[in-house]
Amino acid sequence: EAQVTQNPRYLITVTGKKLTVTCSQNMNHEYMSWYRQDPGLGLRQIYYSMNVEVTDKGDVPEGYKVSRKEKRNFPLILESPSPNQTSLYFCASSWAGGYYEQYFGPGTRLTVT
Amino acid sequence: GDSVTQMEGPVTLSEEAFLTINCTYTATGYPSLFWYVQYPGEGLQLLLKATKADDKGSNKGFEATYRKETTSFHLEKGSVQVSDSAVYFCALSGGAGGTSYGKLTFGQGTILTVHP
Repeated sequence: EAQVTQNPRYLITVTGKKLTVTCSQNMNHEYMSWYRQDPGLGLRQIYYSMNVEVTDKGDVPEGYKVSRKEKRNFPLILESPSPNQTSLYFCASSWAGGYYEQYFGPGTRLTVT
Repeated sequence: GDSVTQMEGPVTLSEEAFLTINCTYTATGYPSLFWYVQYPGEGLQLLLKATKADDKGSNKGFEATYRKETTSFHLEKGSVQVSDSAVYFCALSGGAGGTSYGKLTFGQGTILTVHP
């Protein structure tokens, strides 16, 4: 089954404790992206990757890191989480940007206390 | 930069009512336009899309027409069902000639609740 998986689905952590949210897709997509969803703001792009070893900032990259060492994986790293990073996070993938459909993972709900 | 504005919600309807959710956009170049739907506890999934002016996207009884002259992509359905209750997001992806090629820009989302 074609899918994007994320782990964990739920995470509660404390300020400053490094964490990683994993994302994996099995569709051989080149384009992958991370979004955060906040009430009244829709989804905002954090980082994206056009291919292996090619990443770039989205609209809200501050406080996040990403890497793309393999085509299927695109982890999101919060090296020192803060309460304002409490949000619902989605990973997405597609064949490319532009008019191609993006496939979304189920989401990771992160709470930073 | 690119932006998408959706009608303010939430929207509450009775089953079989007509649905319209307004969406307007600002973009450079020739963007592609999308409607994504998010059911409770799930990720987003594509509902329909249109890639050029005057295209009509349709799926599951939903329709939207890409209107370049009014920079709009309104979502419509003639008869909603309880199972249509979800959050609906209008989005655009920057096209060639624009400054945000490949990136999805979302509206704020509209919560739709359909009562029996």
